[in-house]
Amino acid sequence: QLQLQESGPGLVKPSETLSLTCTVSGGSISSSSYYWDWIRQPPGKGLEWIGSTYYSGTTYYTPSLKRRVSISVNTSKNQYSLKLNSVTAADTAVYYCARHFLQTYAFDIWGQGAMVTVSS
Amino acid sequence: EIVLTQSPGTVSLSPGERATLSCRASQSVNSSYLGWYQQRPGQAPRLLIYGASSRATGIPDRFSGSGSGTDFTLTISRLEPDDFAVYYCQQYGSSPNTFGQGTKLEIK
Repeated sequence: QLQLQESGPGLVKPSETLSLTCTVSGGSISSSSYYWDWIRQPPGKGLEWIGSTYYSGTTYYTPSLKRRVSISVNTSKNQYSLKLNSVTAADTAVYYCARHFLQTYAFDIWGQGAMVTVSS
Repeated sequence: EIVLTQSPGTVSLSPGERATLSCRASQSVNSSYLGWYQQRPGQAPRLLIYGASSRATGIPDRFSGSGSGTDFTLTISRLEPDDFAVYYCQQYGSSPNTFGQGTKLEIK
C-alpha cells in the first residue's frame, strides 16, 4: 500500500524559506502514471493546490505562487520536495503531499499533512 | 482560473437522510476532471468521486456523483454518522487545479 509522509520544520520565520519533503513508501515515485503534488490548507479554510512534479522533473505551479515556489524530485530517495521562499503569516497552513493519476487528475493518495507556522 | 462555488455552505441533516451537495463552475469543466473529496476533522481529504461520477476504490455506493458542464452534484443516499464532514469539489479541466470552498455537512 503506497503511503506518503511529509517532513520538515514546523516553524519558519517571516521572509525565510519553507522547506518540506514528501517520502513515498510502498511504491515507486518513478511510475509513469502519476504526478506528485503539494496542496495546502490554512487553518479553518479550504484547499489550495500549490504545484506538482513528474518523476522526470517536469513541474507545474499555481500562478499565484509561481514566483516563490519550487518543487523538485529525487528518484533515488523516492522523495520530492517543496520550497517556498519569502514566506509571510499568510503561508501558515497544513501542507499536504498527494498523488494524482495522469488520466483523471484526481488526488487519490494523501499524506497526513504537516502544519507549518510562519512566525518570528 | 476556474472558480468552483459550492452550495450550501453548511447543511444540517439527520442520519438516514439524503444529502445533495452542489458544485458550480465559473466556466465549463471537462467531466473527466471533476472530483469530490471528504475531509473529516484533523484528517487529510479522501477521494470519493473522480471523473464526475466514478467512485474511488473502497467508497460505498451510497455516494454518487453526477453532472456536466458547469453544474455537478454529490449525493449521499443514506447518511451514516461517519459521513458528517466537509466536502470539496475539485477540477482540473483547466489549469490551475482548483477546489471549491467546501460544504460542511453537520448532524441535525
